[in-house]
Amino acid sequence: DAGVTQSPTHLIKTRGQQVTLRCSPKSGHDTVSWYQQALGQGPQFIFQYYEEEERQRGNFPDRFSGHQFPNYSSELNVNALLLGDSALYLCASSLQGGLYEQYFGPGTRLTVT
Amino acid sequence: GEDVEQSLFLSVREGDSSVINCTYTDSSSTYLYWYKQEPGAGLQLLTYIFSNMDMKQDQRLTVLLNKKDKHLSLRIADTQTGDSAIYFCAEDRDNAGNMLTFGGGTRLMVKP
Repeated sequence: DAGVTQSPTHLIKTRGQQVTLRCSPKSGHDTVSWYQQALGQGPQFIFQYYEEEERQRGNFPDRFSGHQFPNYSSELNVNALLLGDSALYLCASSLQGGLYEQYFGPGTRLTVT
Repeated sequence: GEDVEQSLFLSVREGDSSVINCTYTDSSSTYLYWYKQEPGAGLQLLTYIFSNMDMKQDQRLTVLLNKKDKHLSLRIADTQTGDSAIYFCAEDRDNAGNMLTFGGGTRLMVKP
């Protein structure tokens, strides 16, 4: 049973560029949430996708956007990168209406120079 | 800063019990969670407790919940060196398990 997978594992971008991160949920899950974890801090909720729509959003600017595909996989896009966007980006999957358990992927480490 | 608060660091000797504490803010949170993060890795769900419970035990892990004080603790019995990691508590503010608010994490160091 495949767990949550994310790609790429590491990424280096320059300030002002755009980046796309990818996530495949755990088998049987239909909901994907994205979190940003800055160094030395706990994860912060960015947004959640279910049925290909953004359902909830945390306190992040519009530069952060996403998409969910019919196979439940998801992308996180960040435009106009800032140095402060450097972080570990975590994807978590869950099942709507199921047990309240979120399973996290290994994350993508984004470095903005 | 985070609304969910944890102490930064805990050091114990192998074989001792570890107790990691957390205070949360939203009394309406239905579920409260403990996650473990090892260096360079994602988060591993350890256990969770429903808000109408006071205690939950799962092998070496015991979770205690004091709703009146909004205090959550995780006790690890017979702590091993493999338990060295960062532990995060999280509350479920949308009561659907999809939007978690995390504390800043407690780094547990287990000395042989």
